[in-house]
Amino acid sequence: DIQMTQSPPSLSASLGDKVTITCQASQNINKYIAWYQQKPGKAPRQLIRYTSTLVSGTPSRFSGSGSGRDYSFSISNVESEDIASYYCLQYDNLPPYTFGAGTKLELK
Amino acid sequence: EVKLVESGGGLVQPGRSLKLSCAASGFSFNDYWMGWVRQAPGKGLEWIGEINQDSSTINYTPSLKDKFTISRDNAQNTLYLQMSKLGSEDTAIYYCARVSSSYMDYFDYWGQGVMVTVSS
Repeated sequence: DIQMTQSPPSLSASLGDKVTITCQASQNINKYIAWYQQKPGKAPRQLIRYTSTLVSGTPSRFSGSGSGRDYSFSISNVESEDIASYYCLQYDNLPPYTFGAGTKLELK
Repeated sequence: EVKLVESGGGLVQPGRSLKLSCAASGFSFNDYWMGWVRQAPGKGLEWIGEINQDSSTINYTPSLKDKFTISRDNAQNTLYLQMSKLGSEDTAIYYCARVSSSYMDYFDYWGQGVMVTVSS
């Protein structure tokens, strides 16, 4: 099974900062990674699919990149509404699919 | 509008069983794979499994394969998760999710989740 190592576990940012979260897969996942945002008490919401494609409604300050085993997710110009937890999910080839452990973004 | 509504959660004693339902609307349910995800209190997301359109393919995360059973009723637009031999480690919010029709995508819509508490 593919393991996803997500870092950092938590992140403290000021409004307007750029933040980056990384996910490293235990093997090549061929860009089949999605990123989800979860606010307290809410269901996850998809932001990015297939490494870098923004889902409809995702603000352009969110971005994703990567290939092979290494992927990143960034928020430029952090806004107060971005305070949430973020998860990567790999869905390459055969299941089981796996989430990263999550990153909690807080305001400094 | 795509809508997924889970139900059937609650307090259950250790060792007992529980069946969750997920009512789907706003899309052609029998055209989509569906899946389940759970989240223990204060923890991250865990992929439970998925089921294809005609129930001929069902995949599970290995650690839950012998405890959980995913099924669906396309006539009722409903997805199910049968959970057996429940333990405290199964206490979590359980989400159903739709698998995108694009091979380049995966879970695109999620339900609001249902809480399951395993305790005596």
